[in-house]
Amino acid sequence: QVQLVQSGAEVKKPGASVKVACKASGYIFANFYLHWVRQAPGQGLEWMGWINPDSSGTYNAQRFQGRVTMTRDTSFSTAYMELSGLRSDDTALYFCARAYFYGQRLWFDTWGQGTLVTVSS
Amino acid sequence: QSVLTQPPSVSGAPGQRVTITCTGSTSNIGANYDVSWYRQLPGTAPKLLIYGNNNRPSGVSDRFSGSKSGTSASLAITGLQAEDEADYYCQSYDSSLTGVVFGGGTKLTVL
Repeated sequence: QVQLVQSGAEVKKPGASVKVACKASGYIFANFYLHWVRQAPGQGLEWMGWINPDSSGTYNAQRFQGRVTMTRDTSFSTAYMELSGLRSDDTALYFCARAYFYGQRLWFDTWGQGTLVTVSS
Repeated sequence: QSVLTQPPSVSGAPGQRVTITCTGSTSNIGANYDVSWYRQLPGTAPKLLIYGNNNRPSGVSDRFSGSKSGTSASLAITGLQAEDEADYYCQSYDSSLTGVVFGGGTKLTVL
């Protein structure tokens, strides 16, 4: 079955970087964009950006420009999201999600289990 | 503030029908971008309930239905059950922001 499995929880100090992995299985990795979404404690969902696993092209939300890097390793069907310059308000549960889109439609049919990133001195 | 506006909370008794609204603008829902809906339990990943405004993925109960009109969309849940207690989010695309947007989420309480 289609599955996205993420790497484990991380604790980082302010100013450090974190790299979260998202391993896909059960489908052709190159055929679906992967998006990253985060959720701060007690807050709603915040979209961060996407990676095209086929071309490695990426696009990030404006507020993360310059701080987030999305990569992939097709040999391992794994996508990565690296966030630098961590601040306390980056403490959140980070999700990867597989996207379907065509025309005016875009939705996320499969989600990873989430990776908790805690930023604390 | 979220680009899509949802009521913070709704409630209903078992067996009743509730609706959750999602209000956008002319750069997202009103620009004919479709709306999807997700359910989320605390500390877990969101689960897709509705895509393309009114389509249910395989395995999702027909108690859930979606609709869209103008710059707003709605999720209706009929025959409320205790296990429907969760947070619900709407999602669309915004052409001005050139990105995916979510509603702020609605907490459903079954009385």
